[in-house]
Amino acid sequence: EIVMTQSPATLSVSPGERATLSCRASQSVSSNLAWYQQKPGQAPRLLIYHASTRATGIPARFSGSGSGTEFTLTISSLQSEDFAVYYCQQYNNWPPFTFGPGTKVDIK
Amino acid sequence: QLQLQESGPGLVKPSETLSLTCTVSGGSISSSSYYWGWIRQPPGKGLEWIANIYYGGRAYSNPSLKSRVTISVDTSKNQFSLKLSSVTAADTAVYYCARQGYYFDSWGQGTLVTVSS
Repeated sequence: EIVMTQSPATLSVSPGERATLSCRASQSVSSNLAWYQQKPGQAPRLLIYHASTRATGIPARFSGSGSGTEFTLTISSLQSEDFAVYYCQQYNNWPPFTFGPGTKVDIK
Repeated sequence: QLQLQESGPGLVKPSETLSLTCTVSGGSISSSSYYWGWIRQPPGKGLEWIANIYYGGRAYSNPSLKSRVTISVDTSKNQFSLKLSSVTAADTAVYYCARQGYYFDSWGQGTLVTVSS
């Protein structure tokens, strides 16, 4: 099973600032990585797939990069609606599909 | 617009079987491009993939749960279902159904299932 880790666990950012979230896989997942955003009481929402492709309707301030074992989600200028928990998920080696433990982005 | 809706009991007794159904609307579950999956999230914790199924019946499940999981599909009703047997308090979670093309691009709103006597 591929284990996903994310850092930091919590990221405190001021509105308008850049946020950089990291995700690491225990072995290479090529570019088969997705990012999700989850707000309290809501289902996760797909942001990025194939490591860097934005899903339909996702604003350009969200960008993904990386391959192999190291990945980054960048939010270029945080808006109030971006404060949430972010998860990465690998789909290179399955079953099982595995998620990281999440990074909470909160208001500084 | 594709919509998924989970349904089933919100309370299950320990050692019994949890049963949930996901109804898909706005699209066909018989699409050749997708699997249909279940994911759960214990209160305050992260996401765990449970299982998925193709419309033709091919299914996969998480090895950590495999012996307890049954997943099925009913194309005539545009539904797929999950059964999790021998539940314990550790199975208390919000259960989501989702469309899966390896990543999960459409999700249901989720349903909380509590395991308690």
